[in-house]
Amino acid sequence: ILNVEQSPQSLHVQEGDSTNFTCSFPSSNFYALHWYRWETAKSPEALFVMTLNGDEKKKGRISATLNTKEGYSYLYIKGSQPEDSATYLCAFHTGRRALTFGSGTRLQVQP
Amino acid sequence: DARVTQTPRHKVTEMGQEVTMRCQPILGHNTVFWYRQTMMQGLELLAYFRNRAPLDDSGMPKDRFSAEMPDATLATLKIQPSEPRDSAVYFCASGLVNRDGEPQHFGDGTRLSIL
Repeated sequence: ILNVEQSPQSLHVQEGDSTNFTCSFPSSNFYALHWYRWETAKSPEALFVMTLNGDEKKKGRISATLNTKEGYSYLYIKGSQPEDSATYLCAFHTGRRALTFGSGTRLQVQP
Repeated sequence: DARVTQTPRHKVTEMGQEVTMRCQPILGHNTVFWYRQTMMQGLELLAYFRNRAPLDDSGMPKDRFSAEMPDATLATLKIQPSEPRDSAVYFCASGLVNRDGEPQHFGDGTRLSIL
């Protein structure tokens, strides 16, 4: 059983704050690490797919880093906005079977 | 933009009835996934197909659930007989497995209520 853990479980920040969350995954049999953004009553949308140790990816105010040797990835949001409120899911991929999703970090940005 | 299409979007039916959910993956994608969203378990994998062949359905209750891909443009998830505990949102996702990694693309989900 693959264990993918995300922390914190939930987070409340004020508009303009920068924030970050963690995804921990097994450091063996690594193929890819995915990040998804999941708004309430919608479907998950892909943010990043990261495959190389030391990878850093950026999309607007959101960025992510990857450390495959120690088994963690950080997602950063700079200057949070209310529209960033969502659940952020990470998912670990060994390349052989389906993704294993974490339980997500629920972010609430207060105006 | 290409999208994964799921039908129906909503389904309300009585316990014991057969339920069929359909998914049209993005053209050219070779993997299809069925997930169930639950309060306790987040996104729970039910079934996984690659090139239409079932690779993993270990998360699916075999006595009442079945998943098939009759062709590359259609995946189905059936529940027979349905039970109130099956009430959830069911997501289909498709993807393209390649060396560099590829995200999964999710449909809008089927919201199922079993009375």
